[in-house]
Amino acid sequence: GESVGLHLPTLSVQEGDNSIINCAYSNSASDYFIWYKQESGKGPQFIIDIRSNMDKRQGQRVTVLLNKTVKHLSLQIAATQPGDSAVYFCADSTGTASKLTFGTGTRLQVTL
Amino acid sequence: GAVVSQHPSRVICKSGTSVKIECRSLDFQATTMFWYRQFPKKSLMLMATSNEGSKATYEQGVEKDKFLINHASLTLSTLTVTSAHPEDSSFYICSARDWNRGRNEQFFGPGTRLTVL
Repeated sequence: GESVGLHLPTLSVQEGDNSIINCAYSNSASDYFIWYKQESGKGPQFIIDIRSNMDKRQGQRVTVLLNKTVKHLSLQIAATQPGDSAVYFCADSTGTASKLTFGTGTRLQVTL
Repeated sequence: GAVVSQHPSRVICKSGTSVKIECRSLDFQATTMFWYRQFPKKSLMLMATSNEGSKATYEQGVEKDKFLINHASLTLSTLTVTSAHPEDSSFYICSARDWNRGRNEQFFGPGTRLTVL
């Protein structure tokens, strides 16, 4: 079946370093992608999104890169802070359908 | 803006009882809400899509008679876990779409942790 998955289950980075979280998706028809951050015991929090007609989008300290050729999505966090420690999920959707398919998640651990 | 609340945040119940979870969009109207289930250290699994004024659309493998969904207004959807059993223990999360903001962006509630004894 269609799925969105992540390469690394856990990523440990030092405070101040840049983080890169990767995601591979399988549905070639997906045209909208979102990154969510989930802290323990809380609901997912929107970070950044990108549509398939773009290959890069920047937010505050975050950048999402989309490579449709290899169906790969990444989230870059600049100057990672302890508050960035959480589980990060990528999700995708297709066309006018609202529903999102979530990846397996990557835990980001920020060390001091 | 775009705040979604859930109530209760935690519930513990005995096996065989029914539990109702509420999902509210506080500052926008949500014609579509979604219910997810999440097991520990796992991803979110979509259970059903709830549309205001119509029947919910359930994902494959989700029992509609077990998980009753009602979306009676533009700001409220409820999920009732009927005759709950220990295997229903999970973290239930709802989300809502704000059509005015964007095509597919969903805003999530804080989740409800259900423990069935």
